[in-house]
Amino acid sequence: GAVVSQHPSWVICKSGTSVKIECRSLDFQATTMFWYRQFPKQSLMLMATSNEGSKATYEQGVEKDKFLINHASLTLSTLTVTSAHPEDSSFYICSARVIHRGGTEAFFGQGTRLTVV
Amino acid sequence: RKEVEQDPGPFNVPEGATVAFNCTYSNSASQSFFWYRQDCRKEPKLLMSVYSSGNEDGRFTAQLNRASQYISLLIRDSKLSDSATYLCVVTDYNNNDMRFGAGTRLTVKP
Repeated sequence: GAVVSQHPSWVICKSGTSVKIECRSLDFQATTMFWYRQFPKQSLMLMATSNEGSKATYEQGVEKDKFLINHASLTLSTLTVTSAHPEDSSFYICSARVIHRGGTEAFFGQGTRLTVV
Repeated sequence: RKEVEQDPGPFNVPEGATVAFNCTYSNSASQSFFWYRQDCRKEPKLLMSVYSSGNEDGRFTAQLNRASQYISLLIRDSKLSDSATYLCVVTDYNNNDMRFGAGTRLTVKP
C-alpha cells in the first residue's frame, strides 16, 4: 500500500521554541494532506487540511499562527508548532488519502510524539 | 453529542473468545465507514471497510445499519495479536471529512 513517512517520531523541546514535523508521501503524490492531534485515550482530532500550493484550511479552534502548515510540493507537508507550550504536548499524525477502486483509503504517518518541557 | 461514538472499553477477553464492538454516528448523510486498528503509540491502519451488505475478512465481520446509524465489528477466535485500539471512522459523500471515534481498547489474554 501507499506509504506516508513522518519525521521525527518523537521530540522533546523547551517551552517557547518551535518544532517542525515533516510528512512525506513516498510513492504517490498527495495534493492534500491532513494533520491530526491525538491526546491520550482520545480520538484523532483533525487540526487542518494541507493543500499543495495554497493555504491550509484550519478546523475551528485551531490557531493558524501557532500551527504553521506548508505544503510546498506534492510529496511534502510540514507542520510547525511555534512557541510551543506544555499544553501542546501531544501525538501529531499526518495522513494522505488514496482513491482506488475499492474507495478511499487513508494512510497515516508514523506519528510524532511531542513533549514540551 | 459526539459525531462518532464508541464504547472506550477496555474489553478484556480470553484467547479464542468472540468480541463485538459497536459505533454510532450522528450524521445521517455519512457515506463511507471503516474500522481502523491502532496499536499503542503507533499510527492507525485500515482494518476493513464496512459495506451496506456487511462484509467479512477472515475472523473479522463488519456490519452497517443505516437506519439506526451504527456500525459493528465482530472478532471471532480472538488472538493475542488482536490486542489494540479499534477506531470507527465515518466519512462524508466525498470522503473529504473523516471523523474518528475515540476508539475501543481490546486486550486479549492467554
